[in-house]
Amino acid sequence: NAGVMQNPRHLVRRRGQEARLRCSPVKGHSHVYWYRQLPEEGLKFMVYLQKENIIDESGMPKERFSAEFPKEGPSILRIQQVVRGDSAAYFCASSPLAGDVYGYTFGSGTRLTVV
Amino acid sequence: TQLLEQSPQFLSIQEGENLTVYCNSSSVFSSLQWYRQEPGEGPVLLVTVVTGGEVKKLKRLTFQFGDARKDSSLHITAAQPGDTGLYLCAGPLSGNTPLVFGKGTRLSVIA
Repeated sequence: NAGVMQNPRHLVRRRGQEARLRCSPVKGHSHVYWYRQLPEEGLKFMVYLQKENIIDESGMPKERFSAEFPKEGPSILRIQQVVRGDSAAYFCASSPLAGDVYGYTFGSGTRLTVV
Repeated sequence: TQLLEQSPQFLSIQEGENLTVYCNSSSVFSSLQWYRQEPGEGPVLLVTVVTGGEVKKLKRLTFQFGDARKDSSLHITAAQPGDTGLYLCAGPLSGNTPLVFGKGTRLSVIA
């Protein structure tokens, strides 16, 4: 497990359906971050999780969006009842410790298209 | 409100030219990081600068952290087509808070 694995790479959903995005962090990393990126925009922070805990969800919409990082298995970002405005690239990153010194390792992203 | 302002937004240069891109803020950061992102991929960490006035070199790339820790610059010498990409600066607002990112500078180096 050399890097952060995200799947699927591309996801198409109809309005009103649910989108489920998965992220397996670097082995040994217990801190996971989700970001959203729109064309010509930087990365917008959504949520920060540590195993079984949400540390900071200040960037995540209160409705329709949820995230988890269970004791076993990948982190999941779940978007219920998707709308066209949810179309974006969603990136997951992980780090070995809290704080910025070690930097983040990013996955290749999931590109969500809502039709 | 964009906490980290990057300039220029777009830059297109010929192979062999030098360039500098900037990352500015009105806030003090404990550290700043630079990432490069290629189309269809996630950002890749290039460097972390932590001390005001610090200069770090990575082959043809030179990174500088301002004395007041509010700004940073990235200078590329003799740019190559492989340098093409979106350059993002990022930093934590405080302590162990998640990174905030600038919108990036999109660099295109033409052979």
